[in-house]
Amino acid sequence: DAGVTQSPTHLIKTRGQHVTLRCSPISGHKSVSWYQQVLGQGPQFIFQYYEKEERGRGNFPDRFSARQFPNYSSELNVNALLLGDSALYLCASSLWGPTDTQYFGPGTRLTVL
Amino acid sequence: KQEVTQIPAALSVPEGENLVLNCSFTDSAIYNLQWFRQDPGKGLTSLLLIQSSQREQTSGRLNASLDKSSGRSTLYIAASQPGDSATYLCAVPNDYKLSFGAGTTVTVRA
Repeated sequence: DAGVTQSPTHLIKTRGQHVTLRCSPISGHKSVSWYQQVLGQGPQFIFQYYEKEERGRGNFPDRFSARQFPNYSSELNVNALLLGDSALYLCASSLWGPTDTQYFGPGTRLTVL
Repeated sequence: KQEVTQIPAALSVPEGENLVLNCSFTDSAIYNLQWFRQDPGKGLTSLLLIQSSQREQTSGRLNASLDKSSGRSTLYIAASQPGDSATYLCAVPNDYKLSFGAGTTVTVRA
């Protein structure tokens, strides 16, 4: 079975631009979560979606938004990019939510210049 | 607010030595605890999930223990190998998210 996939793997943007990151969960998984990880730190929670509804939102500005589609894939959008948005963005899928085993994708490395 | 801490931040051991990785959490009312492995610049790989009702969980050379009352979990890796070199993170579910420690970076010297 295919694992969690994310695209693109790497991305370079300049300040003020917009970016869209994509995630496809494991087949049968209805929950998708997004995390931001900066070097040397643990992942920080951004969003959790279940059955296309936002269930939780972390302490991130409104420049960050996300959605989940009927096929349970998800997009993370970031507007007005700042240098501090440079990080590894991770997507996790599971059957129900954070109390299940979480399966992470390979991540998208975003660099903002 | 759940705080998860992993000490030490880094560890270097010779090949063959057993590894002991520590994880502590401030709120003992956890549902479960999950251990992950992360290779540099890569995603997280789930190693073990230990339920709050369990004391131990084993998978091959890996063994995780959980002591909810003291707010601690320990991951043991037996007979370490150079391929075990990675960052190991623990996480607990908290509302709609996982709360992670910062990880312990392990180097196994051949």
